[in-house]
Amino acid sequence: DVKVTQSSRYLVKRTGEKVFLECVQDMDHENMFWYRQDPGLGLRLIYFSYDVKMKEKGDIPEGYSVSREKKERFSLILESASTNQTSMYLCASSFGRAGYEQYFGPGTRLTVT
Amino acid sequence: GESVGLHLPTLSVQEGDNSIINCAYSNSASDYFIWYKQESGKGPQFIIDIRSNMDKRQGQRVTVLLNKTVKHLSLQIAATQPGDSAVYFCAENPYTGGFKTIFGAGTRLFVKA
Repeated sequence: DVKVTQSSRYLVKRTGEKVFLECVQDMDHENMFWYRQDPGLGLRLIYFSYDVKMKEKGDIPEGYSVSREKKERFSLILESASTNQTSMYLCASSFGRAGYEQYFGPGTRLTVT
Repeated sequence: GESVGLHLPTLSVQEGDNSIINCAYSNSASDYFIWYKQESGKGPQFIIDIRSNMDKRQGQRVTVLLNKTVKHLSLQIAATQPGDSAVYFCAENPYTGGFKTIFGAGTRLFVKA
């Protein structure tokens, strides 16, 4: 079974703090993704990575950065957290090129106060 | 699938009845389609997929139908159970889009006992 784990289920941070969200997958997948999910807006892609040290911007990269130093780990960084970044953050991984399903982690619910 | 705004479409069915969840996808170049199920407090989970060279695929209690002429996808759940209550997302993967998957806004399924 593919396992995608995220470092925290719930996180509360203050405005202006630097926030790190960690994601680890155990199936040797090439691709990893960070989404945010907000009510009525579905899943929006923040960043994705198709190889170690490679990253591509998604649809809403502003205010975020990512790091992929190892194949199994993909980190999302909020450089200076703001209240409009309060959301559910979902990490996913997938195999190969396009045409394969994504496996999701349980999500991190981040609240910025 | 396309965002339908702030409120998720909902479908309410009686336990034991069949459910049909519909989705209109946006890109005629999409060649791979996936249905995901998201239970409360969890990440989306893969249910079934279909490639564009097929118009029907069956799984355990689920069937996906693809109509490329009208860019329509449907998920049929047979003998719906309370455990099927969740939000269901369709997703499309344009081959030319590489790694990006486009998610619909989702449909919330309520199963009445």
